[in-house]
Amino acid sequence: GENVEQHPSTLSVQEGDSAVIKCTYSDSASNYFPWYKQELGKRPQLIIDIRSNVGEKKDQRIAVTLNKTAKHFSLHITETQPEDSAVYFCAARPLLTGGSYIPTFGRGTSLIVHP
Amino acid sequence: KAGVTQTPRYLIKTRGQQVTLSCSPISGHRSVSWYQQTPGQGLQFLFEYFSETQRNKGNFPGRFSGRQFSNSRSEMNVSTLELGDSALYLCASGPDDPYEQYFGPGTRLTVT
Repeated sequence: GENVEQHPSTLSVQEGDSAVIKCTYSDSASNYFPWYKQELGKRPQLIIDIRSNVGEKKDQRIAVTLNKTAKHFSLHITETQPEDSAVYFCAARPLLTGGSYIPTFGRGTSLIVHP
Repeated sequence: KAGVTQTPRYLIKTRGQQVTLSCSPISGHRSVSWYQQTPGQGLQFLFEYFSETQRNKGNFPGRFSGRQFSNSRSEMNVSTLELGDSALYLCASGPDDPYEQYFGPGTRLTVT
């Protein structure tokens, strides 16, 4: 099955700095890569996603890049703000035969933005 | 549109009991997935229902089951509860596009 590795597990930055979180996946059949933000005690929220037919996607201060050859994808947050502090999860969804899929999540990165 | 809702939000059960959790998806969404979240194992996929049929299943024992009703609401059942079943159970709904998912607030289950 799919295996998703996420690094780092904790990331501490100063307000205004950039933050980068990386994930690697094992199954070349994966074709959808979402990122979720989960604040303490709250539900995971989809913040950005990318499909395997594109290499980069941006949404204001957030961007995701995908390298299918190397099987890794990254979340980039620029000009970080204290409200960006949360746990971020990556996921990979392989499309198996018959149209079924099993989403696999990374273990999460705790991002701390210091004012 | 109203978001995904889950009931109950908190639950305390004893080992050996069974529990049923409920999830109401976003209006118009036909896909409902269930996940278990624990500090040790992270987010793990349980199963997904689409139009009342189980479309995908994760690697959980048969004690974990679910169903979906014609109005897309879904229930998840765990029988013969074990201490290790203590977790946050999240459901997520999505439109016909099978990729996008929107999570509910979760049900915090504690097994004593």
